[in-house]
Amino acid sequence: GQNIDQPTEMTATEGAIVQINCTYQTSGFNGLFWYQQHAGEAPTFLSYNVLDGLEEKGRFSSFLSRSKGYSYLLLKELQMKDSASYLCAVRSYNYGQNFVFGPGTRLSVLP
Amino acid sequence: DTAVSQTPKYLVTQMGNDKSIKCEQNLGHDTMYWYKQDSKKFLKIMFSYNNKELIINETVPNRFSPKSPDKAHLNLHINSLELGDSAVYFCASSQAQRTYEQYFGPGTRLTVT
Repeated sequence: GQNIDQPTEMTATEGAIVQINCTYQTSGFNGLFWYQQHAGEAPTFLSYNVLDGLEEKGRFSSFLSRSKGYSYLLLKELQMKDSASYLCAVRSYNYGQNFVFGPGTRLSVLP
Repeated sequence: DTAVSQTPKYLVTQMGNDKSIKCEQNLGHDTMYWYKQDSKKFLKIMFSYNNKELIINETVPNRFSPKSPDKAHLNLHINSLELGDSAVYFCASSQAQRTYEQYFGPGTRLTVT
């Protein structure tokens, strides 16, 4: 089976940097993904890691360590609009290439 | 134009009824999905489908069935609705070579009374 863990909630201040961690256990690993979901809206794609290392995309970066089953999403220069849930998802060859999503981390950005 | 659209946005119905949710994508994608997001906000894959293969999450009851009249549509049929089916259902699509980047529809909030 697959198991994905994330903190349930986090709070940060506007302009700060926040790191959202994700740990996973899976066999046949084929990629880790981060999605953002604002309340009452659909998830939107943020980033994708399949090899170890850091992927940077503007204010957002995502890191992966396959040996440790660990990823994080780094958000810089936080803005109020970054208040949302952040979903970590893992894809596996053993799961028909489909995603398994983690429980999500609800981030609140305070002024 | 909306990339992935779903209808209806809200659906309230009684236990035992049969209902359908429609999904259409105009992105030219070849793979479509159905997800269920429950009250605890867990997003779980139900089905993925392209013109060659249907992959079913084995935990999905067989009361749920996807129907794809063409590449741009993947409808979800639910028979004999139960209280536990109440959730938000999201349709999504992707290109086969970029399945990591899925585009989600706005969701259908299903309430079974």
